[in-house]
This record gives sequence, structure tokens and C-alpha cells, in this order.
Amino acid sequence: QVQLVESGGGVVQPGRSLRLSCAASGFTFTSYGMHWVRQAPGKGLEWVAVIWFDGKNKYYADSVKGRFTISRDNSKNTLSLQMNSLRAEDTAVYYCARSVSEPLGLAVARYMDVWGKGATVTVS
Amino acid sequence: EIVLTQSPGTLSLSPGERATFSCRASQSVTSSSLAWYQQKPGQTPRLLIYGASSRATGIPDRFSGSGSGTDFTLTISRLEPEDSAVYYCQHYGTSPPITFGPGTKVDIK
Repeated sequence: QVQLVESGGGVVQPGRSLRLSCAASGFTFTSYGMHWVRQAPGKGLEWVAVIWFDGKNKYYADSVKGRFTISRDNSKNTLSLQMNSLRAEDTAVYYCARSVSEPLGLAVARYMDVWGKGATVTVS
Repeated sequence: EIVLTQSPGTLSLSPGERATFSCRASQSVTSSSLAWYQQKPGQTPRLLIYGASSRATGIPDRFSGSGSGTDFTLTISRLEPEDSAVYYCQHYGTSPPITFGPGTKVDIK
């Protein structure tokens, strides 16, 4: 079945780095863009970054721009998030999610249809 | 950046009642860019509605979405105990950033 499994979370000191991974299975990974979305304790959802299906385009939330890098290895069906210069406010559960763009009438609908269970990052 | 506001913040209803949630965008957006997600306590977000009104695969027909421009609505026609969750709207347009509303929490009495 379609599955996303995050790994690499943990406790890290402010200013240090951490790398998250997301292993994809059950679908053609190379056909989909992928996102990272995070959720601070007791808070709502915050989009972090997106990478296109071929890795050629990447976009980031202002809160992480210049510190985080999203990447993918299509040969290994793996998505990654390199997080540098971590801050206390980066503490959150980080989810990877599959991106869908599909025709809807004359427009294109975009949404995230599959989510992983999340990896917890604590910066302290 | 499109800012989404949701109301009410919390809704307390009984099983069988009708629930209506509002999502308002800071400027007009295309309906195709508006989605709704459900997140139960301790669980991963689940896609409910995309394109403002299209139900995702496996979502019961008691969930429906509507709206256009700046005002969108998620309706649960007959609440069931398992609908207790936080509901988020999302704007995912042609250009980043992607934004989420702050969520509406539903408590089933």
C-alpha cells in the first residue's frame, strides 16, 4: 500500500544540525512532488518546503529559508530534509506528504493526499 | 501570502447534529486551491476535501465542501463520535507558500 515513513528525529541542541528522511513505497515516487509539513506541540500545521517530482524546483517557508534544504533521491525513493542552525521554535513533529496536482474542470487542484506518521524534532 | 482564518475556534455538538466550519481567505483564491484536512488526536492529518468541494477517496458523503472567492465551508451533515478532531483548511495555489488555517476543533458531547 502507499506509505511514507519518516526517520531521523531526535533531541538536538540549538545551533546544531539534523537530517530527516522519508521513505516512500507503494507508488511511483518519481511522479510526485513531495512536501515537509511541521506541527509544533499543541499548535496547527505549518508548511515547510516542497520539491518537485524531478528535484529541479524547491520552495521554502520564510521561517526556514536559508537554514533548511529539501532534497530527494529518486533512485532510492527517499525524501530528505537537512536542518541546520536549529532553533527552539523548530521543535515540532515533521511530516512528509505527497503532493498531487490534477485537472479539475478548467483548473488544477493541488493538495496533499498521503502523509507519514511524522518524526519528532526537539531543539533544546 | 494568502492568510486563512477559521471559525469557530471550537465547536461542541452532539452526535447526529450538523456541523459547519468556515474558512476565510485574505484575498480571493481559486476554488481548486482550497482543501480540508481532518486530524484526530495523536494522528496524522487526513485529506477530506480538495478543490473546495471534491471528496477524497474513502471519505463518507456526510462530509461536503462548498464556497468560492474568499469564503469556504466544510459541512458534516450528521456528526458521529469519531468525527471528534481538528479540521484545517489549506490554500495550495500555483505559487508558494502553502498556507493552513489555524483549525477548528470539534468536540462531540
